[in-house]
Amino acid sequence: AQSVAQPEDQVNVAEGNPLTVKCTYSVSGNPYLFWYVQYPNRGLQFLLKYITGDNLVKGSYGFEAEFNKSQTSFHLKKPSALVSDSALYFCAVRDRGSNDYKLSFGAGTTVTVRA
Amino acid sequence: NAGVTQTPKFRILKIGQSMTLQCAQDMNHNYMYWYRQDPGMGLKLIYYSVGAGITDKGEVPNGYNVSRSTTEDFPLRLELAAPSQTSVYFCASSYSWTSGAPLQETQYFGPGTRLLVL
Repeated sequence: AQSVAQPEDQVNVAEGNPLTVKCTYSVSGNPYLFWYVQYPNRGLQFLLKYITGDNLVKGSYGFEAEFNKSQTSFHLKKPSALVSDSALYFCAVRDRGSNDYKLSFGAGTTVTVRA
Repeated sequence: NAGVTQTPKFRILKIGQSMTLQCAQDMNHNYMYWYRQDPGMGLKLIYYSVGAGITDKGEVPNGYNVSRSTTEDFPLRLELAAPSQTSVYFCASSYSWTSGAPLQETQYFGPGTRLLVL
């Protein structure tokens, strides 16, 4: 079975401060990991993914995430948050060894960046 | 490219009514998906398709049906609407040229359909 947990429902930061959104996962084998962002009344937009290779993944809008196999984590980070980063963020995982096509999403973390 | 489009944007149904949520993509993607999003629950996969004429159930298929007669279109059918189907529905698509590994590829999402069943 595969699952992902986002332990924080909400993250609040001041503009210009570092932003971290936490994600931990559980899979039987090795994971494919994704981050998506959802702005109000919009569909999900892809931010970045980890498939294989370098543990530090860089994505859109200045975001990056680090795959940590020993801690089974894939935290999303941005060095300096913007007010426009305020949105709902989803982490997702798929077991690389799985034969089905299910992508498991976390419950989401609402990020609010105050000016 | 319009990407993934969904219609309608919003709909109110009475219990027992039926409707079809439309989804179309113009990116020539072979994989398409339907998700529902409930508050605090993330996204749950309803049905997916790996190509025209091929569909399969996801995590929460009960009360829904799909068809995939063309590469572009993937409609979702609700036959007897129930209050439990009140949700936001998202269609997504992706492309994989490696059989058996579609989820390596980025999924592109439509804007969603908000459905209220009363």
